[in-house]
Amino acid sequence: GENVEQHPSTLSVQEGDSAVIKCTYSDSASNYFPWYKQELGKGPQLIIDIRSNVGEKKDQRIAVTLNKTAKHFSLHITETQPEDSAVYFCAVNFGNEKLTFGTGTRLTIIP
Amino acid sequence: NAGVMQNPRHLVRRRGQEARLRCSPMKGHSHVYWYRQLPEEGLKFMVYLQKENIIDESGMPKERFSAEFPKEGPSILRIQQVVRGDSAAYFCASSRDRDAEQYFGPGTRLTVT
Repeated sequence: GENVEQHPSTLSVQEGDSAVIKCTYSDSASNYFPWYKQELGKGPQLIIDIRSNVGEKKDQRIAVTLNKTAKHFSLHITETQPEDSAVYFCAVNFGNEKLTFGTGTRLTIIP
Repeated sequence: NAGVMQNPRHLVRRRGQEARLRCSPMKGHSHVYWYRQLPEEGLKFMVYLQKENIIDESGMPKERFSAEFPKEGPSILRIQQVVRGDSAAYFCASSRDRDAEQYFGPGTRLTVT
Protein backbone atom coordinates (compact mmCIF):
# COMPACT_ATOMS: atom_id res chain seq x y z
CA GLY A 1 0.00 0.00 0.00
CA GLU A 2 0.90 3.66 -0.21
CA ASN A 3 1.64 4.77 3.34
CA VAL A 4 3.47 7.74 4.79
CA GLU A 5 4.33 7.97 8.47
CA GLN A 6 5.44 11.24 10.03
CA HIS A 7 7.13 11.86 13.39
CA PRO A 8 6.90 13.55 15.77
CA SER A 9 3.29 14.73 15.87
CA THR A 10 4.25 17.71 18.04
CA LEU A 11 7.60 19.44 18.48
CA SER A 12 8.58 22.38 20.67
CA VAL A 13 11.90 24.05 20.01
CA GLN A 14 13.64 27.01 21.63
CA GLU A 15 14.01 29.93 19.27
CA GLY A 16 17.35 29.73 17.48
CA ASP A 17 17.64 25.96 17.84
CA SER A 18 17.10 23.43 15.02
CA ALA A 19 14.01 21.35 14.30
CA VAL A 20 13.95 18.01 12.52
CA ILE A 21 10.86 16.18 11.22
CA LYS A 22 11.07 12.73 9.70
CA CYS A 23 8.86 10.78 7.33
CA THR A 24 9.01 7.18 6.19
CA TYR A 25 7.20 5.73 3.18
CA SER A 26 6.26 2.32 1.95
CA ASP A 27 6.92 2.12 -1.80
CA SER A 28 10.35 2.29 -3.42
CA ALA A 29 8.80 3.50 -6.70
CA SER A 30 8.21 6.90 -5.12
CA ASN A 31 9.87 9.73 -7.01
CA TYR A 32 8.89 13.06 -5.49
CA PHE A 33 8.90 14.26 -1.87
CA PRO A 34 7.57 17.74 -1.03
CA TRP A 35 7.16 19.45 2.33
CA TYR A 36 4.31 21.83 3.09
CA LYS A 37 3.79 24.38 5.84
CA GLN A 38 0.23 25.10 6.93
CA GLU A 39 -0.69 28.04 9.13
CA LEU A 40 -4.00 28.24 10.93
CA GLY A 41 -6.89 28.84 8.54
CA LYS A 42 -4.71 28.76 5.43
CA GLY A 43 -3.85 26.35 2.66
CA PRO A 44 -0.64 24.29 2.60
CA GLN A 45 2.36 26.21 1.32
CA LEU A 46 5.11 24.35 -0.55
CA ILE A 47 8.38 25.14 1.22
CA ILE A 48 10.84 22.67 -0.25
CA ASP A 49 10.86 19.46 -2.28
CA ILE A 50 13.26 16.79 -3.43
CA ARG A 51 13.25 14.28 -6.24
CA SER A 52 14.51 10.72 -6.11
CA ASN A 53 17.77 11.40 -7.92
CA VAL A 54 18.99 13.87 -5.26
CA GLY A 55 20.09 13.11 -1.68
CA GLU A 56 19.93 16.58 -0.17
CA LYS A 57 18.56 20.00 -1.03
CA LYS A 58 18.92 23.26 0.86
CA ASP A 59 17.16 26.60 0.69
CA GLN A 60 18.43 29.12 3.25
CA ARG A 61 17.40 27.82 6.69
CA ILE A 62 15.48 24.85 5.33
CA ALA A 63 16.92 21.57 4.07
CA VAL A 64 15.53 18.20 3.08
CA THR A 65 17.49 14.93 3.05
CA LEU A 66 16.42 11.74 1.30
CA ASN A 67 17.53 8.19 1.97
CA LYS A 68 15.94 5.98 -0.70
CA THR A 69 17.48 2.78 0.64
CA ALA A 70 15.92 3.29 4.04
CA LYS A 71 12.79 4.91 2.52
CA HIS A 72 12.83 8.01 4.65
CA PHE A 73 13.27 11.73 4.21
CA SER A 74 13.61 14.55 6.71
CA LEU A 75 12.99 18.27 7.00
CA HIS A 76 15.60 20.33 8.82
CA ILE A 77 14.95 23.90 9.94
CA THR A 78 17.92 25.74 11.42
CA GLU A 79 17.99 28.97 13.46
CA THR A 80 14.27 28.68 14.12
CA GLN A 81 12.17 31.83 14.42
CA PRO A 82 8.68 32.42 15.88
CA GLU A 83 7.20 32.63 12.38
CA ASP A 84 8.28 29.02 11.79
CA SER A 85 5.50 27.93 14.17
CA ALA A 86 2.95 26.02 12.05
CA VAL A 87 1.89 22.50 11.08
CA TYR A 88 4.28 20.82 8.67
CA PHE A 89 3.26 18.01 6.32
CA CYS A 90 5.44 15.70 4.31
CA ALA A 91 4.01 14.14 1.17
CA VAL A 92 4.98 11.47 -1.34
CA ASN A 93 4.16 11.02 -4.99
CA PHE A 94 4.06 7.26 -5.50
CA GLY A 95 4.33 7.63 -9.26
CA ASN A 96 0.65 8.36 -9.86
CA GLU A 97 0.58 12.19 -9.75
CA LYS A 98 -1.49 12.43 -6.55
CA LEU A 99 0.19 13.23 -3.23
CA THR A 100 -0.12 11.04 -0.16
CA PHE A 101 0.36 13.12 2.99
CA GLY A 102 1.77 12.38 6.39
CA THR A 103 -0.32 13.16 9.46
CA GLY A 104 1.49 16.42 10.22
CA THR A 105 3.80 17.85 12.86
CA ARG A 106 2.74 20.82 14.96
CA LEU A 107 5.92 22.85 15.46
CA THR A 108 5.99 25.45 18.21
CA ILE A 109 8.91 27.83 18.53
CA ILE A 110 9.41 29.03 22.10
CA PRO A 111 10.67 32.62 22.29
CA ASN B 1 0.76 36.60 -10.48
CA ALA B 2 -2.30 35.23 -8.71
CA GLY B 3 -2.12 31.90 -6.97
CA VAL B 4 -4.78 29.23 -6.83
CA MET B 5 -8.16 30.77 -6.10
CA GLN B 6 -10.97 29.05 -4.28
CA ASN B 7 -14.45 30.23 -3.44
CA PRO B 8 -16.34 30.45 -1.32
CA ARG B 9 -13.90 30.44 1.60
CA HIS B 10 -16.64 29.37 3.99
CA LEU B 11 -19.83 27.53 3.15
CA VAL B 12 -22.63 26.49 5.47
CA ARG B 13 -25.21 23.99 4.26
CA ARG B 14 -28.04 22.16 5.96
CA ARG B 15 -28.22 18.41 5.67
CA GLY B 16 -29.65 17.39 2.31
CA GLN B 17 -28.60 20.53 0.45
CA GLU B 18 -26.01 20.74 -2.31
CA ALA B 19 -22.54 22.25 -1.98
CA ARG B 20 -20.59 23.65 -4.91
CA LEU B 21 -16.92 24.46 -4.45
CA ARG B 22 -14.96 26.33 -7.10
CA CYS B 23 -11.28 26.36 -7.93
CA SER B 24 -9.36 28.48 -10.42
CA PRO B 25 -5.85 27.15 -11.02
CA MET B 26 -2.74 29.26 -11.31
CA LYS B 27 -2.17 30.84 -14.69
CA GLY B 28 -0.61 28.36 -17.06
CA HIS B 29 -1.64 25.34 -14.99
CA SER B 30 -3.92 22.77 -16.57
CA HIS B 31 -3.83 20.08 -13.87
CA VAL B 32 -6.15 20.34 -10.87
CA TYR B 33 -6.33 18.19 -7.73
CA TRP B 34 -8.89 18.18 -4.94
CA TYR B 35 -8.02 17.13 -1.38
CA ARG B 36 -10.08 16.95 1.80
CA GLN B 37 -8.81 17.71 5.28
CA LEU B 38 -10.69 16.69 8.39
CA PRO B 39 -9.95 18.57 11.64
CA GLU B 40 -6.51 17.74 13.06
CA GLU B 41 -5.75 15.40 10.16
CA GLY B 42 -3.66 15.37 7.02
CA LEU B 43 -4.95 15.93 3.52
CA LYS B 44 -6.56 13.07 1.63
CA PHE B 45 -6.59 12.93 -2.16
CA MET B 46 -9.99 12.96 -3.82
CA VAL B 47 -9.72 13.57 -7.56
CA TYR B 48 -7.28 14.63 -10.27
CA LEU B 49 -8.49 16.42 -13.41
CA GLN B 50 -7.13 17.97 -16.55
CA LYS B 51 -9.16 20.20 -18.83
CA GLU B 52 -12.40 18.35 -19.65
CA ASN B 53 -11.04 15.03 -18.30
CA ILE B 54 -11.13 13.18 -15.01
CA ILE B 55 -7.80 11.37 -14.74
CA ASP B 56 -8.07 9.75 -11.31
CA GLU B 57 -11.11 9.80 -9.02
CA SER B 58 -10.01 6.92 -6.80
CA GLY B 59 -10.23 9.04 -3.62
CA MET B 60 -13.70 10.38 -4.20
CA PRO B 61 -16.79 8.68 -2.76
CA LYS B 62 -18.81 6.99 -5.48
CA GLU B 63 -22.10 8.54 -4.42
CA ARG B 64 -23.05 12.20 -3.99
CA PHE B 65 -19.63 13.55 -5.05
CA SER B 66 -18.68 14.70 -8.54
CA ALA B 67 -16.02 16.92 -10.08
CA GLU B 68 -15.48 18.66 -13.37
CA PHE B 69 -12.94 20.92 -15.02
CA PRO B 70 -14.56 22.40 -18.12
CA LYS B 71 -12.78 23.90 -21.08
CA GLU B 72 -13.72 27.36 -19.86
CA GLY B 73 -14.09 28.37 -16.23
CA PRO B 74 -13.08 26.96 -12.87
CA SER B 75 -13.02 23.40 -11.65
CA ILE B 76 -16.10 22.48 -9.61
CA LEU B 77 -16.40 19.98 -6.78
CA ARG B 78 -20.05 19.19 -6.20
CA ILE B 79 -21.47 17.43 -3.16
CA GLN B 80 -25.13 16.49 -3.32
CA GLN B 81 -27.36 15.83 -0.31
CA VAL B 82 -24.67 16.80 2.16
CA VAL B 83 -24.37 15.01 5.51
CA ARG B 84 -22.64 16.06 8.75
CA GLY B 85 -19.64 13.87 7.88
CA ASP B 86 -18.94 16.04 4.82
CA SER B 87 -17.92 18.90 7.10
CA ALA B 88 -14.24 19.50 6.34
CA ALA B 89 -11.82 21.81 4.60
CA TYR B 90 -11.60 21.16 0.88
CA PHE B 91 -8.41 22.21 -0.85
CA CYS B 92 -7.65 22.54 -4.51
CA ALA B 93 -4.13 22.38 -5.92
CA SER B 94 -2.84 22.99 -9.42
CA SER B 95 0.29 22.08 -11.33
CA ARG B 96 1.87 22.93 -14.65
CA ASP B 97 2.47 19.34 -15.70
CA ARG B 98 2.11 15.81 -14.43
CA ASP B 99 4.63 15.23 -11.64
CA ALA B 100 5.26 18.97 -11.29
CA GLU B 101 4.95 20.90 -8.04
CA GLN B 102 1.42 21.25 -6.69
CA TYR B 103 0.39 24.64 -5.33
CA PHE B 104 -2.59 24.86 -3.02
CA GLY B 105 -5.39 27.34 -2.70
CA PRO B 106 -6.70 28.74 0.62
CA GLY B 107 -9.44 26.13 0.85
CA THR B 108 -13.19 26.09 1.34
CA ARG B 109 -14.39 25.26 4.83
CA LEU B 110 -17.69 23.42 4.56
CA THR B 111 -19.91 23.16 7.60
CA VAL B 112 -23.01 20.99 7.45
CA THR B 113 -25.61 21.77 10.11
